[in-house]
Amino acid sequence: KQEVTQIPAALSVPEGENLVLNCSFTDSAIYNLQWFRQDPGKGLTSLLLIQSSQREQTSGRLNASLDKSSGRSTLYIAASQPGDSATYLCAAGKAAGNKLTFGGGTRVLVKP
Amino acid sequence: GAVVSQHPSWVICKSGTSVKIECRSLDFQATTMFWYRQFPKQSLMLMATSNEGSKATYEQGVEKDKFLINHASLTLSTLTVTSAHPEDSSFYICSAREVQGAVGQPQHFGDGTRLSIL
Repeated sequence: KQEVTQIPAALSVPEGENLVLNCSFTDSAIYNLQWFRQDPGKGLTSLLLIQSSQREQTSGRLNASLDKSSGRSTLYIAASQPGDSATYLCAAGKAAGNKLTFGGGTRVLVKP
Repeated sequence: GAVVSQHPSWVICKSGTSVKIECRSLDFQATTMFWYRQFPKQSLMLMATSNEGSKATYEQGVEKDKFLINHASLTLSTLTVTSAHPEDSSFYICSAREVQGAVGQPQHFGDGTRLSIL
């Protein structure tokens, strides 16, 4: 059974600092790895999707890496802004049925 | 981009009431939709996979008779919480995957429904 862990559970940084969010998974036989953002009381916004054959994906200030062999993915957010404050969730996708297994999330606070 | 609409966004009702939540894909067709449950400050737990035209597949520990799922068309799936009780209070989120998308394509999520049972 896949287990996904995100550490730390919460993170507070001053504006402008780079953010590094970690995600680890126990079963390396994933089809993809997806990063989401969730604002309080809201649904999920997809940020980046990394296929199992890829090593990283980039979108603007966001960069996500994937190392299947070590069971890790890292989300980097450059030059953080107060608007980046949210909970960030990673999810490992299983080929069969495309089920996603979510980590517990990292709550990020960027202080002005 | 692909948009998933969930309705209602917030429900407050008395214990014993049945509540229906709708999940619609607005600009794409979805053969498969997923229903998740999220408790405060916790992550999403998959409840069931909804397949258009067939029975839903429930995850272990999820009561089929308690959480009725119907996926009658390629753009609509519904989750009915039958005879809801306070312990059913939670945040319910649906997601959808495009028909044309191969396995492994991103799921698009709705904004969630907050259910509060008094």
